Amino acid sequence: DTAVSQTPKYLVTQMGNDKSIKCEQNLGHDTMYWYKQDSKKFLKIMFSYNNKELIINETVPNRFSPKSPDKAHLNLHINSLELGDSAVYFCASSQQGTGNTEAFFGQGTRLTVV
Amino acid sequence: GENVEQHPSTLSVQEGDSAVIKCTYSDSASNYFPWYKQELGKRPQLIIDIRSNVGEKKDQRIAVTLNKTAKHFSLHITETQPEDSAVYFCAAMFSGGYNKLIFGAGTRLAVHP
Repeated sequence: DTAVSQTPKYLVTQMGNDKSIKCEQNLGHDTMYWYKQDSKKFLKIMFSYNNKELIINETVPNRFSPKSPDKAHLNLHINSLELGDSAVYFCASSQQGTGNTEAFFGQGTRLTVV
Repeated sequence: GENVEQHPSTLSVQEGDSAVIKCTYSDSASNYFPWYKQELGKRPQLIIDIRSNVGEKKDQRIAVTLNKTAKHFSLHITETQPEDSAVYFCAAMFSGGYNKLIFGAGTRLAVHP
């Protein structure tokens, strides 16, 4: 019964290709995130969606385009992949509001651009 | 801007010793401070969190303290065990109409038997 699941787990692709990573959560949360974890393990927020609406868009190249078809799904599409895009991408979800509940993470997608 | 600083970046202790990791944050309006543990190749998982109306929270061998005036919070692990070896991240929830969870740079803890 995985709370936050993302696919694929591994993705190896050539420079210039376009790829997508999918994320789904079954926790009923209204907020979903994408984080990028580089080789130094730094977790950097990229995007956040609340009830399908984009609320956070950090300084991410516009080759990265998130899409939230409904509040349980947040996908990440990357165009024209570059070597520097190689990283582990984590999807996460949480519930907004004064409760500030825990953010649950997916298992990560290790993207390798060659 | 929104920032969370975490120290040290690496920490090596002997089994049974205590480990302390410290974080500072920039937004005085932040009110939620979780700590995550990430084992090699795995996802970050919450180990303990604290809210701004509490100064200290304990759960068995781990404890977190919060000083809102100084804008810093710390993780304390007592009686460390080899299975505590992992990367630990502090985080702060920045408000402003929406919640934005910003992480520190992580501390790689190694517990030697």
